[in-house]
Amino acid sequence: DSGVTQTPKHLITATGQRVTLRCSPRSGDLSVYWYQQSLDQGLQFLIQYYNGEERAKGNILERFSAQQFPDLHSELNLSSLELGDSALYFCATNRPGSPLHFGNGTRLTVT
Amino acid sequence: GESVGLHLPTLSVQEGDNSIINCAYSNSASDYFIWYKQESGKGPQFIIDIRSNMDKRQGQRVTVLLNKTVKHLSLQIAATQPGDSAVYFCAETNTGNQFYFGTGTSLTVIP
Repeated sequence: DSGVTQTPKHLITATGQRVTLRCSPRSGDLSVYWYQQSLDQGLQFLIQYYNGEERAKGNILERFSAQQFPDLHSELNLSSLELGDSALYFCATNRPGSPLHFGNGTRLTVT
Repeated sequence: GESVGLHLPTLSVQEGDNSIINCAYSNSASDYFIWYKQESGKGPQFIIDIRSNMDKRQGQRVTVLLNKTVKHLSLQIAATQPGDSAVYFCAETNTGNQFYFGTGTSLTVIP
């Protein structure tokens, strides 16, 4: 168990809808990273937060947004969903200079 | 952008043999490297890491080798077991903030 908690585990929704994915970091970790993993693909970096502030942006669509709250948990909001957004979404957390620790992901299916 | 790649997408080994998974990176400024194991339905799990001031680091049944001259990283698994079957990712970072992942190598252990 990595100590990183992601909810929900599975989401099934229709095109055009909006969903929110939640991540609770390991105790003491200030950074949260979001990644997208499509079928048989690598990990695509979406966005990073550090102690409530956006730190870095990757290949995140404008339809997607995220935030990190004062208690350090993070939410990833996906809107106007398309079929191609179906993927595994992982969050990972760490302390500076330490490896990332991943949650078990949210599997999103858009129908 | 960063480029972290793997030489082979798939690898099959006999149970009990040693496995070697390779990874090439392009950023000579990268100073921290990590290997992850991802089993089906789970998030990537930290295996071992190495910093650029080292050439070799050993863990339990795993060894990571770093060749900075040719920008190459390898993961050696001794006495491979069926439970080692998974996808293995290498990751690099040069800022301690953004992590760049390779596309992964699928390891299959043949009983």
